[in-house]
Amino acid sequence: ETGVTQTPRHLVMGMTNKKSLKCEQHLGHNAMYWYKQSAKKPLELMFVYSLEERVENNSVPSRFSPECPNSSHLFLHLHTLQPEDSALYLCASSQARGTYYEQYFGPGTRLTVT
Amino acid sequence: GQQVMQIPQYQHVQEGEDFTTYCNSSTTLSNIQWYKQRPGGHPVFLIQLVKSGEVKKQKRLTFQFGEAKKNSSLHITATQTTDVGTYFCAGRSRAGGTSYGKLTFGQGTILTVHP
Repeated sequence: ETGVTQTPRHLVMGMTNKKSLKCEQHLGHNAMYWYKQSAKKPLELMFVYSLEERVENNSVPSRFSPECPNSSHLFLHLHTLQPEDSALYLCASSQARGTYYEQYFGPGTRLTVT
Repeated sequence: GQQVMQIPQYQHVQEGEDFTTYCNSSTTLSNIQWYKQRPGGHPVFLIQLVKSGEVKKQKRLTFQFGEAKKNSSLHITATQTTDVGTYFCAGRSRAGGTSYGKLTFGQGTILTVHP
């Protein structure tokens, strides 16, 4: 499955570093999402972009900064993270078809903050 | 806000036994989706239910949507080792009306199948 790709797949960063996660979808979808998946919590929606406009921001700390330059690309810029931010970060995309909004996920970036 | 509870959190079965996971929403849903995440993998869409009381089948998997559109279940008949993974339900609130699918995921049920 290569419809949604994410890079890097693994990232280790210190608390003072700045890094970016990249997501690219090859499905022609018009909405893209960032989720955080931790060991003991369900999938947490972080941000939603619809038609390249940010439409949801679920009380995410400002140390996470999303960017959607076009409908195919989504970035998550990271700076001064905390150890509790270590998690799997998943990107997803969807295309509304009537009442159907199934989401297609990328493989994720496993982030470790030291 | 909307909450989606899923039980059980873990389920261990012998190969050939049946398995069921249940999902309950605090609010009425527009639709509900089910995803499967294999160990080390990412969630993969399985199915979406939209109508009250809807039942859909995919081979050994049976999905149900409650009459009140607040609960759902996934039942697997005669589990196989390939069924191993985490099964998530995800609900879309009726308060939607957006051009994108804002989903609230349940905690997931981790299924282990012993050969």
